[in-house]
Amino acid sequence: QKEVEQNSGPLSVPEGAIASLNCTYSDRGSQSFFWYRQYSGKSPELIMFIYSNGDKEDGRFTAQLNKASQYVSLLIRDSQPSDSATYLCAVKRAGNTPLVFGKGTRLSVIA
Amino acid sequence: DTAVSQTPKYLVTQMGNDKSIKCEQNLGHDTMYWYKQDSKKFLKIMFSYNNKELIINETVPNRFSPKSPDKAHLNLHINSLELGDSAVYFCASSQVPGANEKLFFGSGTQLSVL
Repeated sequence: QKEVEQNSGPLSVPEGAIASLNCTYSDRGSQSFFWYRQYSGKSPELIMFIYSNGDKEDGRFTAQLNKASQYVSLLIRDSQPSDSATYLCAVKRAGNTPLVFGKGTRLSVIA
Repeated sequence: DTAVSQTPKYLVTQMGNDKSIKCEQNLGHDTMYWYKQDSKKFLKIMFSYNNKELIINETVPNRFSPKSPDKAHLNLHINSLELGDSAVYFCASSQVPGANEKLFFGSGTQLSVL
């Protein structure tokens, strides 16, 4: 069973702080790594993707990937109450294989 | 225009009934998917179609039958509904299957089986 593990939370951070969301995966053949954000009652939306080891920054978001440790993380700088949502980590092999999601981490940013 | 649209948004029905959910995407994508999200928010792939051909079928009961009349549409028909089928069903699409695919989701259909 190929799995993606996330701490379900809730992770509570004060407004303006850095939120750190973590994800581990079991399939060493995974090649692509995604972070989706899902607001309550809404559909998931892609916020970041990363394919190579290291960091990738996009605005207030930084994705970090370490394939040797099978670990991917998402940092949110200057957290805002509007960042409060569930963050889903997803990984994928190449080819016609499904995107495998973790169960998500619920983030709560306290004003 | 909504990129990936699915109907209905809510579906409440009795056990044993048959129901369908429809999905359409106007993004010009080749690949469409059905995902199921259970009460614990776990999002799991059910089916994937590429240009009307089934490419992924993840051990879903055969009461669930997807149909893709063309690459812009992927419908889901469910026979003999059971209590455990209650969940949110998301349709999604992507440009091409492969490691680089990014999914665009519909707004979801909340199915409640009584």
